Amino acid sequence: AQSVTQLGSHVSVSEGALVLLRCNYSSSVPPYLFWYVQYPNQGLQLLLKYTTGATLVKGINGFEAEFKKSETSFHLTKPSAHMSDAAEYFCAVSPRGNAGKSTFGDGTTLTVKP
Amino acid sequence: NAGVTQTPKFRVLKTGQSMTLLCAQDMNHEYMYWYRQDPGMGLRLIHYSVGEGTTAKGEVPDGYNVSRLKKQNFLLGLESAAPSQTSVYFCASKESSISTDTQYFGPGTRLTVL
Repeated sequence: AQSVTQLGSHVSVSEGALVLLRCNYSSSVPPYLFWYVQYPNQGLQLLLKYTTGATLVKGINGFEAEFKKSETSFHLTKPSAHMSDAAEYFCAVSPRGNAGKSTFGDGTTLTVKP
Repeated sequence: NAGVTQTPKFRVLKTGQSMTLLCAQDMNHEYMYWYRQDPGMGLRLIHYSVGEGTTAKGEVPDGYNVSRLKKQNFLLGLESAAPSQTSVYFCASKESSISTDTQYFGPGTRLTVL
């Protein structure tokens, strides 16, 4: 069984400040890890993913995440928040080779204050 | 490419009515998924398909049926709608290659059951 925990359902930062969205997972086998972003009234879009190789993964819009196996974490960061980053962010885990049946976290809503 | 499209975008049903949600993808993806999204609960997998003519149950399949008669289409049916099925429904598709494992989402269908 696999599960995902996103710490903090709401995160608020000032424009230009560091963004840190936390994600911890549990999985019986090494998983694939994903961050998706959802803008209002839209579907989810992939921000970045970890499959193999380098544990620091860079995604779109200046976001990056680091896979830390020892901590079972995959936290999402961005050095400087922009107003357009306001959205809901979902962490997801998918066991390798399991028809891509991802398990999603409950989501974190990011608010960016001017 | 249109990607993943969903029909309709909005629908209001009365309890006991039936309806079918249509998902279409033009990326020749093997895998397709139906999720529901409820506030504070992330995305939960209803049913999925690993290829034309195949379907399987996800996490919350009760009250729903699906069909995948054509590779590009995945239909979600509600035979007798209940207020508990008020939700936003998302369809997603994915290549069969485990090296990518990225799901592409449609824009969603917002369903209200009165």
